[in-house]
Amino acid sequence: DAGVIQSPRHEVTEMGQEVTLRCKPISGHDYLFWYRQTMMRGLELLIYFNNNVPIDDSGMPEDRFSAKMPNASFSTLKIQPSEPRDSAVYFCASSFFPSEKLFFGSGTQLSVL
Amino acid sequence: AQRVTQPEKLLSVFKGAPVELKCNYSYSGSPELFWYVQYSRQRLQLLLRHISRESIKGFTADLNKGETSFHLKKPFAQEEDSAMYYCALLRGSTLGRLYFGRGTQLTVWP
Repeated sequence: DAGVIQSPRHEVTEMGQEVTLRCKPISGHDYLFWYRQTMMRGLELLIYFNNNVPIDDSGMPEDRFSAKMPNASFSTLKIQPSEPRDSAVYFCASSFFPSEKLFFGSGTQLSVL
Repeated sequence: AQRVTQPEKLLSVFKGAPVELKCNYSYSGSPELFWYVQYSRQRLQLLLRHISRESIKGFTADLNKGETSFHLKKPFAQEEDSAMYYCALLRGSTLGRLYFGRGTQLTVWP
């Protein structure tokens, strides 16, 4: 298994553009998480899914952010419109109950100019 | 509310010196605590969990409920220990309630 796969690895875009980040969790995992990493705030949970259903999206900064999980092997995090303050590393992670161990992807480095 | 506090953003020690990365938490229930590590150009990964009472790569961490702390320690630091370390708290039984501290960047000088 290649682990959690995220794409793209790097994304540079201009303010106002739509950004879509993608994640493929480890097969068989029933939990999927989206985290954002910044110098100021560290690692923040944005949203998580259980069996493709969003359970808690209270960490999503604002309405410009949305996440979907149409099936067990794919999730997207969309920012529309993007702003410079959205620049960060976005991580996807997956796990399976009852293990507490999260498996992280390599992250997407997002730069909004 | 800050649930996990790592007071040091940066920590530097020399090779062979003891190292302690501090972590304090706030939670009134029975906490489950973890240390995650991210080495340069590698993925964030689980280092150890308090419930296992294990030593990984020479690191140990003891849960002190009285002081609400879960400090990570190693008696003799190695250069390969240089990494970003995150303390994490699991509140309740749901995986989604895993909260991370802001991380401590450890640098071990030769």
